[in-house]
Amino acid sequence: GIQVEQSPPDLILQEGANSTLRCNFSDSVNNLQWFHQNPWGQLINLFYIPSGTKQNGRLSATTVATERYSLLYISSSQTTDSGVYFCAVGGAQGAQKLVFGQGTRLTINP
Amino acid sequence: DAGVIQSPRHEVTEMGQEVTLRCKPISGHNSLFWYRQTMMRGLELLIYFNNNVPIDDSGMPEDRFSAKMPNASFSTLKIQPSEPRDSAVYFCASSLRRRDTEAFFGQGTRLTVV
Repeated sequence: GIQVEQSPPDLILQEGANSTLRCNFSDSVNNLQWFHQNPWGQLINLFYIPSGTKQNGRLSATTVATERYSLLYISSSQTTDSGVYFCAVGGAQGAQKLVFGQGTRLTINP
Repeated sequence: DAGVIQSPRHEVTEMGQEVTLRCKPISGHNSLFWYRQTMMRGLELLIYFNNNVPIDDSGMPEDRFSAKMPNASFSTLKIQPSEPRDSAVYFCASSLRRRDTEAFFGQGTRLTVV
């Protein structure tokens, strides 16, 4: 099945810094989503982005489907951005199910 | 819409007991997914339904686990008998029945088996 690899596994930054999280996947995809798991365990939808670029406030994401990767950018980080960021993909050849990466744990210090 | 609703939010049970987790998908969504999150294995799909019919249950760990979807607005995941290694957070998600569609997750049920 499709493999999803996220990097870096951990990232510690000061408030106000910018960050880039990467998601590599091993096959063509119909679906790619970025989630933020907050300290209470909730999975919050950030972007649905199987291709192209989207922006939402301080967050933006780009997926280059032909090169099988996606990037999540966080600018001017705030402490509330802390948590684990997951990339999940649905393979073009497979069914609807999402396969998750192992996540990037982001810690923003004040 | 209230989103995907799961209950209970937390469950503590003794080994050997039956556990039932519940999920109400977003109204109008016709695909429902059960995921499990553990430190060791991350987020993994257990089973999913399209139009109340189980499509892929290859992720169900063993016969102690069963899932049902009696109608479009309700699903259960049952563990009988429960074991300590079943301790995890169980998420339910729903989406439209298409491969190119966004899935939304419930708040999860944190299960502890002692």
